[in-house]
Amino acid sequence: KQEVTQIPAALSVPEGENLVLNCSFTDSAIYNLQWFRQDPGKGLTSLLLIQSSQREQTSGRLNASLDKSSGRSTLYIAASQPGDSATYLCAVHTGRRALTFGSGTRLQVQP
Amino acid sequence: DTAVSQTPKYLVTQMGNDKSIKCEQNLGHDTMYWYKQDSKKFLKIMFSYNNKELIINETVPNRFSPKSPDKAHLNLHINSLELGDSAVYFCASSQGPRGAADQETQYFGPGTRLLVL
Repeated sequence: KQEVTQIPAALSVPEGENLVLNCSFTDSAIYNLQWFRQDPGKGLTSLLLIQSSQREQTSGRLNASLDKSSGRSTLYIAASQPGDSATYLCAVHTGRRALTFGSGTRLQVQP
Repeated sequence: DTAVSQTPKYLVTQMGNDKSIKCEQNLGHDTMYWYKQDSKKFLKIMFSYNNKELIINETVPNRFSPKSPDKAHLNLHINSLELGDSAVYFCASSQGPRGAADQETQYFGPGTRLLVL
């Protein structure tokens, strides 16, 4: 059974710092891995999708990497801003046409 | 031009009542899902439907019954509501088997916040 873990559970940084969020999964037989953002009381916004054959994806200040063999992904946020404050969720697609989610990292960027 | 919409956004009800949550997607997707996010913010799949056919039914009490009248709609009916059903319920959709699995992304609705008193 696929399990997804995210570390740290919460993170508080001053504005401008670069930071890394970690995600690990137990079963490497995945189709893809997605990073989502969830703002308080809101839905999920897809940030990046990394296909199983890919090593990384970039979008603006965000860069996500995938090491399928070791069951790890990282989300790198450059030059963090207060507007980046949200919960970041990692999810893997294992072919059952459903996502298995981690419990999220709650990020607070202090101005 | 909302992609995935849910109604209602908030639902407060008494234990024992029956309630429904509606979901609609205008993306032309074949597959729709219901996820539950509990008080610890953990999101877990409940059901998925592909073109009106049930694909995934996780270990969910049979008080929960999804209904898909057409492939653009997936409604969730809950009978005899219990305190533990309080959560945020998210509907999502994806292209489904027509697309490549490794490129498939899911689009989420805004969530329905259910509080059972």
